[in-house]
Amino acid sequence: EAGVVQSPRYKIIEKKQPVAFWCNPISGHNTLYWYRQNLGQGPELLIRYENEEAVDDSQLPKDRFSAERLKGVDSTLKIQPAELGDSAVYLCASSSLGNTEAFFGQGTRLTVV
Amino acid sequence: GNSVTQMEGPVTLSEEAFLTINCTYTATGYPSLFWYVQYPGEGLQLLLKATKADDKGSNKGFEATYRKETTSFHLEKGSVQVSDSAVYFCALLAGGTSYGKLTFGQGTILTVHP
Repeated sequence: EAGVVQSPRYKIIEKKQPVAFWCNPISGHNTLYWYRQNLGQGPELLIRYENEEAVDDSQLPKDRFSAERLKGVDSTLKIQPAELGDSAVYLCASSSLGNTEAFFGQGTRLTVV
Repeated sequence: GNSVTQMEGPVTLSEEAFLTINCTYTATGYPSLFWYVQYPGEGLQLLLKATKADDKGSNKGFEATYRKETTSFHLEKGSVQVSDSAVYFCALLAGGTSYGKLTFGQGTILTVHP
């Protein structure tokens, strides 16, 4: 069974440029999460979806970040414009509804220069 | 709010040594507790979990017991191997309005030498 797939694995952009990350969750998983992991810290939740509905986006900086999960499967996370402080690893995870175990992708390492 | 505090690292051990990584938490209600591991170049993987007080989670020789009275979930292994070198994260999953949101500790880097 394929795990959570994220792309790209690495991205280097100049500040003020836009960037997008893509996530394909495990088949059948209704819940999808985007986390941000700064260097030397634990992941922090940005947004959680139940199917196509964003049920928790309280930690998403909405002035520059946006996310979507069309058809309740794949998801994209966008930053526009990127700032130096956005350099981090962006993790996607998924779980089946009501299940406490979340499965994580390998992440996208973003470097803003 | 909910929070997780892990012992500061990094932790460096010789092979076959005993490992303890401390984890304490603050949460309302009755959270579920987890240990995740991140091997070099890989994503986070669930190592073990416990969903209620006094539960013991175990996997790959690692154990952790959910202690409600001390709000702790310390990770232990009796004999570490070089292949255990990784970053370990303690996490909690709270209920109520925060249901579904994992709160992580800052991570502890473990290095095991032959």
